[in-house]
Amino acid sequence: AQKVTQAQTEISVVEKEDVTLDCVYETRDTTYYLFWYKQPPSGELVFLIRRNSFDEQNEISGRYSWNFQKSTSSFNFTITASQVVDSAVYFCALQRGGSNYKLTFGKGTLLTVNP
Amino acid sequence: DTEVTQTPKHLVMGMTNKKSLKCEQHMGHRAMYWYKQKAKKPPELMFVYSYEKLSINESVPSRFSPECPNSSLLNLHLHALQPEDSALYLCASSQVPEGREEAFFGQGTRLTVV
Repeated sequence: AQKVTQAQTEISVVEKEDVTLDCVYETRDTTYYLFWYKQPPSGELVFLIRRNSFDEQNEISGRYSWNFQKSTSSFNFTITASQVVDSAVYFCALQRGGSNYKLTFGKGTLLTVNP
Repeated sequence: DTEVTQTPKHLVMGMTNKKSLKCEQHMGHRAMYWYKQKAKKPPELMFVYSYEKLSINESVPSRFSPECPNSSLLNLHLHALQPEDSALYLCASSQVPEGREEAFFGQGTRLTVV
């Protein structure tokens, strides 16, 4: 069985603070994919990143960075110098390798960035 | 163009009505999905179409009927819904129905059943 845990239900920060969103996953598969999506109040899920299980290299994209550690089954997401526009619900998700696409989502973390 | 377009954005329907949700993508993606999302919950997969054929039905009640007329379009026909079916319905597509390709989501249809 697959499971994604986002222990932080809500986080509130002040603009320009750094914030890390935690994601811990469980799977018995050797091939799997991890994702982060952002959902602003408008409703659309915006794709942020995909990582496969064989690529533990950390990634940085502008103010966003991701730390993938298989040893602790974690895929954490850090926003540096947060902005009000970063306010959204962030979902971490897991998908098995193979042909039947099904995302297992975490419960999401509501991030509020205050001016 | 990485856009998935859903119409309508909002829909209010009675329990005896028949309505349809529409989804369109022009990215050449061969996999399309319907998700249901209740407030403050993550999306839940309903259906997966792979190369225009239904490949996954997550035990969804028959009052929800998906249709994939062609590779760019996905419909969700609604009939005799219940108030508990009120939710955000999200359509998504991916190049292939495998996790090595990310899914792109539309803005969703906010459905209210009265």
